[in-house]
Amino acid sequence: AQTIHQWPVAEIKAVGSPLSLGCTIKGKSSPNLYWYWQATGGTLQQLFYSITVGQVESVVQLNLSASRPKDDQFILSTEKLLLSHSGFYLCAWSPGQYQDTQYFGPGTRLLVL
Amino acid sequence: QQQVRQSPQSLTVWEGETAILNCSYEDSTFNYFPWYQQFPGEGPALLISISSVSDKKEDGRFTIFFNKREKKLSLHITDSQPGDSATYFCAAASQGTGSKLSFGKGAKLTVSP
Repeated sequence: AQTIHQWPVAEIKAVGSPLSLGCTIKGKSSPNLYWYWQATGGTLQQLFYSITVGQVESVVQLNLSASRPKDDQFILSTEKLLLSHSGFYLCAWSPGQYQDTQYFGPGTRLLVL
Repeated sequence: QQQVRQSPQSLTVWEGETAILNCSYEDSTFNYFPWYQQFPGEGPALLISISSVSDKKEDGRFTIFFNKREKKLSLHITDSQPGDSATYFCAAASQGTGSKLSFGKGAKLTVSP
């Protein structure tokens, strides 16, 4: 069975500080990976997706960047946090190969002060 | 432009009643429609999905009705339970693109005992 792990569970950071969030998928090789952002009580906004190691496509520009250093790892980061970055960050995976069902991780809660 | 619309935004039903959540979409290339259930503080979980070749999909107490001509679908939750209280997201994608899932704004369901 596939498992998805996100870290950290929650963060409180200062405006202007750097950020790195991580996501790991176990039990599935070469998954498609996704990052989403969700405001409190809001919808899910896709930020990035990746279909293979080293390749990341940006969907929305929010002064964030993403990288896929390993087949099972997806990293979301920024050098300078903004207040607007607060929210719930979700990593998701799909099997790829025309199987588009996405499965979400438990999320990371971020509060920027 | 909101490609997937949900209504109502919130709904309260009594335990045992049928809850009906509606969804409509704009893009005629959409052919895959998953519904996700999200509890506070958790990532969304896939509840049930349908492809455009079907007009109905049933899984226990959860049923999707799909009208391709009108670009509408609905999620029916029969015999609603307090544990069904959650936010439900309708999503849509063009199957096989592997990249983008468009989400509605969500519908908050409350089931009162």
